[in-house]
Amino acid sequence: GGIITQTPKFLIGQEGQKLTLKCQQNFNHDTMYWYRQDSGKGLRLIYYSITENDLQKGDLSEGYDASREKKSSFSLTVTSAQKNEMAVFLCASSTGGAREQYFGPGTRLTVL
Amino acid sequence: QQKVQQSPESLIVPEGAMTSLNCTFSDSASQYFAWYRQHSGKAPKALMSIFSNGEKEEGRFTIHLNKASLHFSLHIRDSQPSDSALYLCAAANSGTYQRFGTGTKLQVVP
Repeated sequence: GGIITQTPKFLIGQEGQKLTLKCQQNFNHDTMYWYRQDSGKGLRLIYYSITENDLQKGDLSEGYDASREKKSSFSLTVTSAQKNEMAVFLCASSTGGAREQYFGPGTRLTVL
Repeated sequence: QQKVQQSPESLIVPEGAMTSLNCTFSDSASQYFAWYRQHSGKAPKALMSIFSNGEKEEGRFTIHLNKASLHFSLHIRDSQPSDSALYLCAAANSGTYQRFGTGTKLQVVP
């Protein structure tokens, strides 16, 4: 089996600050995803990547950048943190778009 | 753009009952349909998926798909308190990513 790790587990930033979240997977999956989950709600896709150095925008990409420099890692940057985007950010990976996704434990973002 | 909606938003059932969760999707070209379960404070985990019309059973869980009515459902037989969680449905066509619904919060009470 494999595992997805996300760092940090908790991230606290100031309004307007640039913040970076990191994700690593050892499934050797081609596709990786970043989602935002507001409290107790569904998942909204921010960015996904189908291979190294590929980036595709999801439904919620405005205000975020992403980077996939290696097959095993996928980073997400909040370009200017806002109080209304306090949420849990989940990273996932899969062998393809229409295949089971495996999720990491999440990074909880708090904006002061 | 694919829209995926779930009902009900929340549900409380007694232990031992049958639970039914619903999901509708808007893209008739969708080919992959899945249910994920997320216990409080944990990561979502895939429960079951289906590609073609009909039913698929795994233990106490059954997924039913009706592409013509753009609807699929998850049925949990003999619901247990450990089934209490947020249930997320997702749909995708072969060329795109999965879109998730807003979730159904299930509570099974002893």
